[in-house]
Amino acid sequence: DAGVIQSPRHEVTEMGQEVTLRCKPISGHNSLFWYRQTMMRGLELLIYFNNNVPIDDSGMPEDRFSAKMPNASFSTLKIQPSEPRDSAVYFCASSWLAGNTDTQYFGPGTRLTVL
Amino acid sequence: GQQLNQSPQSMFIQEGEDVSMNCTSSSIFNTWLWYKQDPGEGPVLLIALYKAGELTSNGRLTAQFGITRKDSFLNISASIPSDVGIYFCAGQPSGGYQKVTFGTGTKLQVIP
Repeated sequence: DAGVIQSPRHEVTEMGQEVTLRCKPISGHNSLFWYRQTMMRGLELLIYFNNNVPIDDSGMPEDRFSAKMPNASFSTLKIQPSEPRDSAVYFCASSWLAGNTDTQYFGPGTRLTVL
Repeated sequence: GQQLNQSPQSMFIQEGEDVSMNCTSSSIFNTWLWYKQDPGEGPVLLIALYKAGELTSNGRLTAQFGITRKDSFLNISASIPSDVGIYFCAGQPSGGYQKVTFGTGTKLQVIP
């Protein structure tokens, strides 16, 4: 089975532009997570979906960030307008949440550079 | 909020040596996880621990869930060049959905 798929793998854009990152979770998983990784702050959870519903978006930095999950096999993270401080690697992860276990499987990430 | 202190931050070792790293938390976790991240890739789960005192192995890797529930350890025996990468600990406070908190990572370099 394919792992978590993310696209694009690399994105370079100019400040003020809209950026859309895409994720396809592992088939059958019911939970999806978006993370941001930077040298300064490490891995930070941005938002968590369960059964396509956003459950915890407390990590979303500000209104410029939005995430959607229209169906069980697709999610997007959008930044509008983008700023240089948004430069980071963005990871999508998925899991099957059952009982007390929630083992997350990560995608390869999207490296975003905002000039 | 919860904090995970991971140490050491980085280490250089000779191929064949054993490696130890640990993670401590300011609060109790119900689950401890250890991930490895290769350059340009996402973290990959190595070992998951669900019970205090649990000792689990995965090949040359062994991890332990501390009795106090506030710490975890990862050991790598007989290191090889492909062990190079960043190792992250992660913890979850209780069952069901709980936000996973990641440690700051231990960067491992293996000298052939």
